[in-house]
Amino acid sequence: SQQGEEDPQALSIQEGENATMNCSYKTSINNLQWYRQNSGRGLVHLILIRSNEREKHSGRLRVTLDTSKKSSSLLITASRAADTASYFCATDGKGATNKLIFGTGTLLAVQP
Amino acid sequence: DTEVTQTPKHLVMGMTNKKSLKCEQHMGHRAMYWYKQKAKKPPELMFVYSYEKLSINESVPSRFSPECPNSSLLNLHLHALQPEDSALYLCASSQDRVGRKLFFGSGTQLSVL
Repeated sequence: SQQGEEDPQALSIQEGENATMNCSYKTSINNLQWYRQNSGRGLVHLILIRSNEREKHSGRLRVTLDTSKKSSSLLITASRAADTASYFCATDGKGATNKLIFGTGTLLAVQP
Repeated sequence: DTEVTQTPKHLVMGMTNKKSLKCEQHMGHRAMYWYKQKAKKPPELMFVYSYEKLSINESVPSRFSPECPNSSLLNLHLHALQPEDSALYLCASSQDRVGRKLFFGSGTQLSVL
């Protein structure tokens, strides 16, 4: 299966701390994306990193990609209570058409 | 307009009912998707329409029937559902081909009694 696995499954931190989530996947990919989902709502795209990129930044987000290890990490710096949500990585496998498969997700709780 | 609009937000239906979920986008996107999400699980791909043609059906039971009347609209027709079909149904769109970022609607929370 192409599905990614994320760890930790759940993470609880204090406001101002950094949060790191990891994603591992099984097949070769074209790119990897990270999404955020507030409880019971739709997903919001955060960042996309291509298979030939190693690191990407967007505001307080930093994503790394190691294709040799088939893994990615999402770092949220200086977290805020509003960052509380589930975070999913998503991959599109090489050769798969229009098929974005989501990882198992990390539930992040930021305590005020 | 960067919104994907889904209606209804909530739906309760019996196992003998027929209902439809609707999704609309006006971003000019040519790929549209249905995902199903159970509580505390990741979204699971159901169907993909590309340029108004069904391009992917992830072996979804025939009691779910998708329809793409035009490039802005996507429907999911429901008939004779089972209680285990209760879930959050998410519609998404993307510019075109695989690898583009997805824009999601807020979903329809479906309960089958």
